[in-house]
Amino acid sequence: SAVISQKPSRDICQRGTSLTIQCQVDSQVTMMFWYRQQPGQSLTLIATANQGSEATYESGFVIDKFPISRPNLTFSTLTVSNMSPEDSSIYLCSANDRGLNEKLFFGSGTQLSVL
Amino acid sequence: SQQGEEDPQALSIQEGENATMNCSYKTSINNLQWYRQNSGRGLVHLILIRSNEREKHSGRLRVTLDTSKKSSSLLITASRAADTASYFCATESTSGTYKYIFGTGTRLKVLA
Repeated sequence: SAVISQKPSRDICQRGTSLTIQCQVDSQVTMMFWYRQQPGQSLTLIATANQGSEATYESGFVIDKFPISRPNLTFSTLTVSNMSPEDSSIYLCSANDRGLNEKLFFGSGTQLSVL
Repeated sequence: SQQGEEDPQALSIQEGENATMNCSYKTSINNLQWYRQNSGRGLVHLILIRSNEREKHSGRLRVTLDTSKKSSSLLITASRAADTASYFCATESTSGTYKYIFGTGTRLKVLA
């Protein structure tokens, strides 16, 4: 099993600023995903973080707003840019080893509040 | 929306009773998984069932899958107060890119 460390665990940010969330996995994984979860709601997939290439974004999410990096097989970042109160949410990093273990492992999440 | 639907949205039962929650999805799948989430933070994997399986057990959990109806159910037997959490199904589609789409979730409350 993989252990995922995600930070920060929470932050309060001002409108118009950006926040970068880091996700570190304790082993190499093939797949890393970023999800958003608004209060009382389910998880919505933002994008798949691809190692060495641009992330694959889901409908409704764009790179300018949510730039993602994945420089290697254990680390990824998600930036929430030019934040507004509507971006207040929990952001979750997830990973698995496609083809070996389809189970998804999750970080503990980042609770973001935008004022 | 690609999201699957779960019902009920919320369920409240007494300790010792069984809890059943259902998940419906929209596309053909390779597998379906169930996750538990406590207090709105990281999710914990419970059980995975593949598209060629119809039923699976793990401890007090029983999962069924009906691919013809595009639906699954999760049964928790002899529930405990510690089972209080939100439960989500997640599906891996056979088409498109590799990813997992989560259902709307069921909030389970087990009363002691």
